[in-house]
Amino acid sequence: TQLLEQSPQFLSIQEGENLTVYCNSSSVFSSLQWYRQEPGEGPVLLVTVVTGGEVKKLKRLTFQFGDARKDSSLHITAAQPGDTGLYLCAGYSGGSNYKLTFGKGTLLTVNP
Amino acid sequence: AAGVIQSPRHLIKEKRETATLKCYPIPRHDTVYWYQQGPGQDPQFLISFYEKMQSDKGSIPDRFSAQQFSDYHSELNMSSLELGDSALYFCASSSPFGLAGVADTQYFGPGTRLTVL
Repeated sequence: TQLLEQSPQFLSIQEGENLTVYCNSSSVFSSLQWYRQEPGEGPVLLVTVVTGGEVKKLKRLTFQFGDARKDSSLHITAAQPGDTGLYLCAGYSGGSNYKLTFGKGTLLTVNP
Repeated sequence: AAGVIQSPRHLIKEKRETATLKCYPIPRHDTVYWYQQGPGQDPQFLISFYEKMQSDKGSIPDRFSAQQFSDYHSELNMSSLELGDSALYFCASSSPFGLAGVADTQYFGPGTRLTVL
């Protein structure tokens, strides 16, 4: 069973601070996706990373895929209250296995 | 842009009743996935369909069944409902050619909240 370990599980910071969320696995993933989920709503795709070492930026969010495609990080610069939510990483192992394996998520609270 | 549509958004059932959840994928997406998310849990994969054929199966109870129809919409049928089936049920869809050529990026619907009393 492939597992994705996310850390930290909970994070509470002040507006304007920077933060990094980590997603680690002992398995190789052909691609990894980051989602943000609001309570009672579906996960909303933020980014997909495919290539080892890849870095993608989405406004104040920077996503990195590890060289070995076993880990990823999400860095948020100058966090705002609107960034509050559950951040989930999910990996796709490829081949005939079509399912996503999710991490447990990081619940981020940004206080004004 | 069109998103994944799920219906109903909320459903309340009694124990031992049956429920049917519907999912309409993003247009031109041919793969549908079902996930179950319990309170405070991450989404758990149940089952997926590609071109109307079951492509993968996860932790789906035998009491549940699903299918994908010719118009690519999917239905999750749940029988003999138990209290533990109360959860958010998400449908996701993907296209083999996905976003910017990335295969199997999954886009999630808003979910159906099932409450079993």
